[in-house]
Amino acid sequence: GDSVTQMEGPVTLSEEAFLTINCTYTATGYPSLFWYVQYPGEGLQLLLKATKADDKGSNKGFEATYRKETTSFHLEKGSVQVSDSAVYFCALSHYNAGNNRKLIWGLGTSLAVNP
Amino acid sequence: DTAVSQTPKYLVTQMGNDKSIKCEQNLGHDTMYWYKQDSKKFLKIMFSYNNKELIINETVPNRFSPKSPDKAHLNLHINSLELGDSAVYFCASSQRRESETQYFGPGTRLLVL
Repeated sequence: GDSVTQMEGPVTLSEEAFLTINCTYTATGYPSLFWYVQYPGEGLQLLLKATKADDKGSNKGFEATYRKETTSFHLEKGSVQVSDSAVYFCALSHYNAGNNRKLIWGLGTSLAVNP
Repeated sequence: DTAVSQTPKYLVTQMGNDKSIKCEQNLGHDTMYWYKQDSKKFLKIMFSYNNKELIINETVPNRFSPKSPDKAHLNLHINSLELGDSAVYFCASSQRRESETQYFGPGTRLLVL
């Protein structure tokens, strides 16, 4: 079945460092891909998404490109801030047998940014 | 003006008790979800409702029973609580059953003693 694999955390960086969080997927068809972010004590929020191959999603300085050839959707940011400390989830969108959308989630990667 | 709200935010209870968690969304969406997040942050979908109809029912003990009185509300009732039910429960909604983007509530932190 469809699945999402994320790099394990925790990831610890200094402020202004470059961030990459790897995400690869296995899917039939052409899923949409997402990054959600969960700040401490809060629910998840959509960070960015891409709906087809070679699309680049971007938001708040974060970017991810849908790479069909490598089945990847790695999250990057050029210069992280302390406020980026959170858990990041990669997900893909999948239709189940009843034609309902279901998100398939990665395990989450915790990011801690130190001043 | 909260989009997806849940009550209560925290719930501490004894094993064997029955408890309910409520969720409301004011986004006009017609699909709602319940997720369970364990202590390692693993996120698992439990149920989904579309216009009060159950459309996703994952492998969840039948002690868990969702109820949707209308499309803006999705409640979760849990009977005979067990230690392993301790987790954060998130409600979410999306515009339609085909929609991809989900909007999450702040979570209900359940601790079973």
